[in-house]
Amino acid sequence: SQKIEQNSEALNIQEGKTATLTCNYTNYSPAYLQWYRQDPGRGPVFLLLIRENEKEKRKERLKVTFDTTLKQSLFHITASQPADSATYLCALDGGDDKIIFGKGTRLHILP
Amino acid sequence: SAVISQKPSRDICQRGTSLTIQCQVDSQVTMMFWYRQQPGQSLTLIATANQGSEATYESGFVIDKFPISRPNLTFSTLTVSNMSPEDSSIYLCSVERALGDTQYFGPGTRLTVL
Repeated sequence: SQKIEQNSEALNIQEGKTATLTCNYTNYSPAYLQWYRQDPGRGPVFLLLIRENEKEKRKERLKVTFDTTLKQSLFHITASQPADSATYLCALDGGDDKIIFGKGTRLHILP
Repeated sequence: SAVISQKPSRDICQRGTSLTIQCQVDSQVTMMFWYRQQPGQSLTLIATANQGSEATYESGFVIDKFPISRPNLTFSTLTVSNMSPEDSSIYLCSVERALGDTQYFGPGTRLTVL
């Protein structure tokens, strides 16, 4: 069956370090993959989209990689700040014009 | 981007009643979606709201339980009918300007059914 896996345990990172979140998927061949941020009590906010023919994409302190062989995306936040604390959702093209979301990883940046 | 508002932001309802959630977008969009997010779970797509025709429901969701309207390109409603405590969840509206584009989400409606 199709599956998207994100680390269900919360990730604690010291301020200033790089936070790396992982998204693995099985039985999909997505044309693109997206990352969203969700704060408590709010809807997800789009961060980055990376297409299957792109290896890496950057936006300010964010970097996303997409390895279609490993079926994995890594999401990096460099020079992390307490304000980066949130849940980060991986989402991918599930076909039929749908986006399939992972459960998300809670990130805590410790001051 | 798109600015999306939802009403109500939260509600507490009695078992057996129905609640209609409204979603308003600040500009015309092609695709509108309704999701449910239960505690600790991922977003689950309920249906695609189609303008001028019946919504397209995902497996496990039916029109009688979740009737959807989309009278124009900027507005949609989702009704949660004959509610039970299992319907307690956050309901989110999202829009997509074009196929394969990013989705923009509303703030969500937190529903508690007693």
